[in-house]
Amino acid sequence: AQSVAQPEDQVNVAEGNPLTVKCTYSVSGNPYLFWYVQYPNRGLQFLLKYITGDNLVKGSYGFEAEFNKSQTSFHLKKPSALVSDSALYFCAVRDMGGGSYIPTFGRGTSLIVHP
Amino acid sequence: NAGVTQTPKFQVLKTGQSMTLQCAQDMNHEYMSWYRQDPGMGLRLIHYSVGAGITDQGEVPNGYNVSRSTTEDFPLRLLSAAPSQTSVYFCASSTQGAAFYEQYFGPGTRLTVT
Repeated sequence: AQSVAQPEDQVNVAEGNPLTVKCTYSVSGNPYLFWYVQYPNRGLQFLLKYITGDNLVKGSYGFEAEFNKSQTSFHLKKPSALVSDSALYFCAVRDMGGGSYIPTFGRGTSLIVHP
Repeated sequence: NAGVTQTPKFQVLKTGQSMTLQCAQDMNHEYMSWYRQDPGMGLRLIHYSVGAGITDQGEVPNGYNVSRSTTEDFPLRLLSAAPSQTSVYFCASSTQGAAFYEQYFGPGTRLTVT
């Protein structure tokens, strides 16, 4: 079975400061990991993914995420937050060992960047 | 290339009514999914399809039906609407090719059942 947890409902950060949005996962095999962003009244947009290879993945809008197999984590990061980064962020996992066709999503983390 | 489209954008139903939420994609994706989004619950998978003629249940399938007669279309039917089905519904598609299951989402349908 595959599952993902986003332990923070909300993250607050000042503009210009680094941000981290946390994600941990559970799978029986190897994971495919994804981050999506949702702006108000919009559908989800893909940010980045980890399939294999380098543990540091770079994505859209200056975001990056670090895959840590020992800690089963895939935290989303950005060196310098912008007010326009304020949105709802979702982590998702697909278990390549479990035979699932569709990823499971976390509950989402609301990121608020203060001017 | 329109991506994933959903209609209608908004809908109000009375308890017991039925309706169909439409979803279409023009990217020739094999996989399509329906999710509902509720506050504090994230995205929950209702039904999904891995190709035309093939569908399966997700986490919360009760009260919903789907069919996939073409690659492009994946409608979601509410059989007898209930207030518990008030939610925002998202359709998504993906391919098993180089994109490795990265999903493309539609803009959503906001459904209210009174």
